[in-house]
Amino acid sequence: GAVVSQHPSWVICKSGTSVKIECRSLDFQATTMFWYRQFPKQSLMLMATSNEGSKATYEQGVEKDKFLINHASLTLSTLTVTSAHPEDSSFYICSAKPGQGSEQYFGPGTRLTVT
Amino acid sequence: EDQVTQSPEALRLQEGESSSLNCSYTVSGLRGLFWYRQDPGKGPEFLFTLYSAGEEKEKERLKATLTKKESFLHITAPKPEDSATYLCAVRAGAGNMLTFGGGTRLMVKP
Repeated sequence: GAVVSQHPSWVICKSGTSVKIECRSLDFQATTMFWYRQFPKQSLMLMATSNEGSKATYEQGVEKDKFLINHASLTLSTLTVTSAHPEDSSFYICSAKPGQGSEQYFGPGTRLTVT
Repeated sequence: EDQVTQSPEALRLQEGESSSLNCSYTVSGLRGLFWYRQDPGKGPEFLFTLYSAGEEKEKERLKATLTKKESFLHITAPKPEDSATYLCAVRAGAGNMLTFGGGTRLMVKP
């Protein structure tokens, strides 16, 4: 149980284009989902928290107009990186939290490379 | 501000050589301390949640313990497949967010 998927697992895009990453909770309903960014050999940095049906809460320093988050259903959240630049290249990981539990379950991550 | 510090940053063990990883934390109102395992290029895999000082949890060769200031992840007779980065995170206050430590990269040699 508690499986979270992400799609795509990796993506290469050109500078200036937008990329959408999907995060799905496969066997539970997630009232809250989280988006993290991880640089090589570093720990996870929380970007934003999203609750189903409401606007995401972004961490300090994260541009909400650049990283668009939508949590339209209890099993799906999307992160769109708009007008991507090479510095946006990173490993993006989502997590989902079941309504009744406190653990976060993580997806496998998406490797974004912007050329 | 919540702070989580893990040590050591990297640990090399021989197969069968038991050891412990440390996670020190400073938070207001701990609501859970979490251990995750992360393999290269993968998302973190949930291992344990600890809620109060004195609590212990075990899973195969791993045992997690919690005090009021720190948590330990004990690895007994590790195998090469235990090689991974182990992450510690805390949840505190009223929110849902986790604050992560920097991780300990464990390498177990056969």
